[in-house]
Amino acid sequence: GESVGLHLPTLSVQEGDNSIINCAYSNSASDYFIWYKQESGKGPQFIIDIRSNMDKRQGQRVTVLLNKTVKHLSLQIAATQPGDSAVYFCAAHYGQNFVFGPGTRLSVLP
Amino acid sequence: DAGVIQSPRHEVTEMGQEVTLRCKPISGHNSLFWYRQTMMRGLELLIYFNNNVPIDDSGMPEDRFSAKMPNASFSTLKIQPSEPRDSAVYFCASSGLRTGGEETQYFGPGTRLLVL
Repeated sequence: GESVGLHLPTLSVQEGDNSIINCAYSNSASDYFIWYKQESGKGPQFIIDIRSNMDKRQGQRVTVLLNKTVKHLSLQIAATQPGDSAVYFCAAHYGQNFVFGPGTRLSVLP
Repeated sequence: DAGVIQSPRHEVTEMGQEVTLRCKPISGHNSLFWYRQTMMRGLELLIYFNNNVPIDDSGMPEDRFSAKMPNASFSTLKIQPSEPRDSAVYFCASSGLRTGGEETQYFGPGTRLLVL
């Protein structure tokens, strides 16, 4: 099977700084990874994804890095804004299913 | 598209009562997932369907929980009888291909269930 975990349950950053949220997975057969953002009272929303044959992918203010050697991926948010405050989940696609990590709560300090 | 639609958005019931949660996936999506989210346990997959067929229900807590998908546009999650420990937010998600991208899950807004 697959299990997904995050290194830190909470993260606080100053507005304008960069944020880095980490995630580890267990099964090297996982072929696809997604980062989700969940705001209070809402369902998780897709942010960015990456296939296992890539090691980096960039979006608007977000970058995902994948290190298959150590089964680790990270989400980097540039110039963090108050609207980035949320819980962030990584998910690994394994078989026909998605396995979610426990989530990191990002708080942006003024 | 309206996205994944769930009803009701909030449900308060008494222990022992039957609870039925409903989900309408995004049109054209072949897979549907039911999740439960609590502070203690995070996001847990309960069951998922592919082409209306249950593929993996190993996450269903016990026989009090059942899920059906009678057609491609509707699914229900039923709890009978409900217990206070079932209180949680229940999410439905469907998966399909993003434009030019991979298969991705899209979540509904969730049903917040409180069992007294």
